[in-house]
Amino acid sequence: AQSVTQPDIHITVSEGASLELRCNYSYGATPYLFWYVQSPGQGLQLLLKYFSGDTLVQGIKGFEAEFKRSQSSFNLRKPSVHWSDAAEYFCAVATYSSASKIIFGSGTRLSIRP
Amino acid sequence: DTAVSQTPKYLVTQMGNDKSIKCEQNLGHDTMYWYKQDSKKFLKIMFSYNNKELIINETVPNRFSPKSPDKAHLNLHINSLELGDSAVYFCASSQGDSFNNEQFFGPGTRLTVL
Repeated sequence: AQSVTQPDIHITVSEGASLELRCNYSYGATPYLFWYVQSPGQGLQLLLKYFSGDTLVQGIKGFEAEFKRSQSSFNLRKPSVHWSDAAEYFCAVATYSSASKIIFGSGTRLSIRP
Repeated sequence: DTAVSQTPKYLVTQMGNDKSIKCEQNLGHDTMYWYKQDSKKFLKIMFSYNNKELIINETVPNRFSPKSPDKAHLNLHINSLELGDSAVYFCASSQGDSFNNEQFFGPGTRLTVL
């Protein structure tokens, strides 16, 4: 069965610094990958998604992610974080056979140091 | 205008009680979902409805019964509440039930069972 691992539970970066959040997936075929953000007390919002094509995908709020099949990874990056980026970030995977079922990782909490 | 709304935002109740959480979306979507997020932030799908028909039921105890009176509403009724039901419940909706249809999430309902 497909699964998603986010190895970092909590990350703190300084405002203006670059960010990379790690995500690894487990699935035999090409997965469909997502990154969501959850601000405190809010629901989830889609940042970006990868289905096929260019392995570097651009999302909202200046985020990007790169799909690396050889490493089974889909890491999220941002060149310069802002205090408003402090939130919980979820990587997720869906497979064609599971229709609209999306499997979420356990999340990474991002804190921003002033 | 709130796209996906849930009521109530907070719900505190005793074990054994029956409670309902309501969800409404004004996006004109035809697919709605219920997710459960536990204390470790792990988010898991419970149910999915497409055009008022159940399409995903993730082995949720039958104490949980979703009801979709129309495409814009998906309510969650929980009988005989247990301590382990304490969690944040998120409603979501999408246009279409395929994984590549973006899901829009409500703000969540925090259920505490005492």
